[in-house]
Amino acid sequence: EAQVTQNPRYLITVTGKKLTVTCSQNMNHEYMSWYRQDPGLGLRQIYYSMNVEVTDKGDVPEGYKVSRKEKRNFPLILESPSPNQTSLYFCASSLSTGGKRTQYFGPGTRLLVL
Amino acid sequence: AQTVTQSQPEMSVQEAETVTLSCTYDTSESNYYLFWYKQPPSRQMILVIRQEAYKQQNATENRFSVNFQKAAKSFSLKISDSQLGDTAMYFCAFIPSGTYKYIFGTGTRLKVLA
Repeated sequence: EAQVTQNPRYLITVTGKKLTVTCSQNMNHEYMSWYRQDPGLGLRQIYYSMNVEVTDKGDVPEGYKVSRKEKRNFPLILESPSPNQTSLYFCASSLSTGGKRTQYFGPGTRLLVL
Repeated sequence: AQTVTQSQPEMSVQEAETVTLSCTYDTSESNYYLFWYKQPPSRQMILVIRQEAYKQQNATENRFSVNFQKAAKSFSLKISDSQLGDTAMYFCAFIPSGTYKYIFGTGTRLKVLA
């Protein structure tokens, strides 16, 4: 089954404790992206990756890191989480070119930073 | 800056009736892709419909159709024969064809009433 998976689905942590949210896709997509969703703000792009070893900042990259060492994986790293990073996070993937720019989303990771 | 505006934060519709969700966007690009995503209470992001800006014909997927007005930069979603399962948050999004940054609106929460 074609899918994007994220782990963990739920996470409660404390300020300053480094964490990683994993994302994996099995559709051989070049493009992957991370979003955060907050009430009243919609989805805002954190980082995206056009292909292996190629990443770029989205609209809200502060406090986040990413890496793309393999095509299927795109982990999101919070080196020193703060309460304002409490949010619902989505990973998504798509083909990079052509008519099929449709993004496929993971199930989401709900993060609470105390 | 490229933006997407969904001016209706909340809407409701009676079961079996028709409802239209509005979306306007701002871009100087001539070619781009537009999307409507549905987010039910499960929080999963589900593609509803996609439109390519160079296609004049409005996209249709079963009970869902769009009214794409390129000159007006408008991309409204019409849901016919509304069903209880259509209750969800709906997000409008677009991406210019030569870029990698998706832009989402803030969403419209739709409630279908029995």
